[in-house]
Amino acid sequence: QQPVQSPQAVILREGEDAVINCSSSKALYSVHWYRQKHGEAPVFLMILLKGGEQKGHEKISASFNEKKQQSSLYLTASQLSYSGTYFCGTVISSGSARQLTFGSGTQLTVLP
Amino acid sequence: DGGITQSPKYLFRKEGQNVTLSCEQNLNHDAMYWYRQDPGQGLRLIYYSQIVNDFQKGDIAEGYSVSREKKESFPLTVTSAQKNPTAFYLCATSPRSVATDTQYFGPGTRLTVL
Repeated sequence: QQPVQSPQAVILREGEDAVINCSSSKALYSVHWYRQKHGEAPVFLMILLKGGEQKGHEKISASFNEKKQQSSLYLTASQLSYSGTYFCGTVISSGSARQLTFGSGTQLTVLP
Repeated sequence: DGGITQSPKYLFRKEGQNVTLSCEQNLNHDAMYWYRQDPGQGLRLIYYSQIVNDFQKGDIAEGYSVSREKKESFPLTVTSAQKNPTAFYLCATSPRSVATDTQYFGPGTRLTVL
């Protein structure tokens, strides 16, 4: 039940845009997005909840299609500081909904 | 100064030895979690605890044990039964339920088995 992320890696020039996708085979209660730089802890970016509520950074945007069990993270006008590995985490609707399951990550490199 | 403290930052262990990783938080969060991360991989849940004196197994609990005697503390013991314990271990907390709350991560402990 691990979510699937795509692409696995992407290389951009500063100022370019990117989209990272996350899909699940199960109905989702929420989707979480984190960014991790090498050797550091993951940093929270956004939560998207069933029903449309979102919590997160103003400069980050994302979508959550409940019917398709998919989420996308949109990185616009990328900066060098956006480089890192992006993880989506999902909480499924069934059961106790107390476990966050992470995808294997998307490595983003922004070049000057 | 609020946050999550993990110690030590680096830990070396000989095969066959048990070792305990510390995780302390002063955020007054109810829920605490332990994740394991292998190079180039995502995070996998080992154990989690929603309240004091209660904890649940995650996806890869075999060879690990935890306790939650205090709200602030959630130590993880890596036992000799864990076949391949070399990894980056991350502790996390959330105010209540991970379904709707942000998870905050500690700085991690890098464990190497010699």
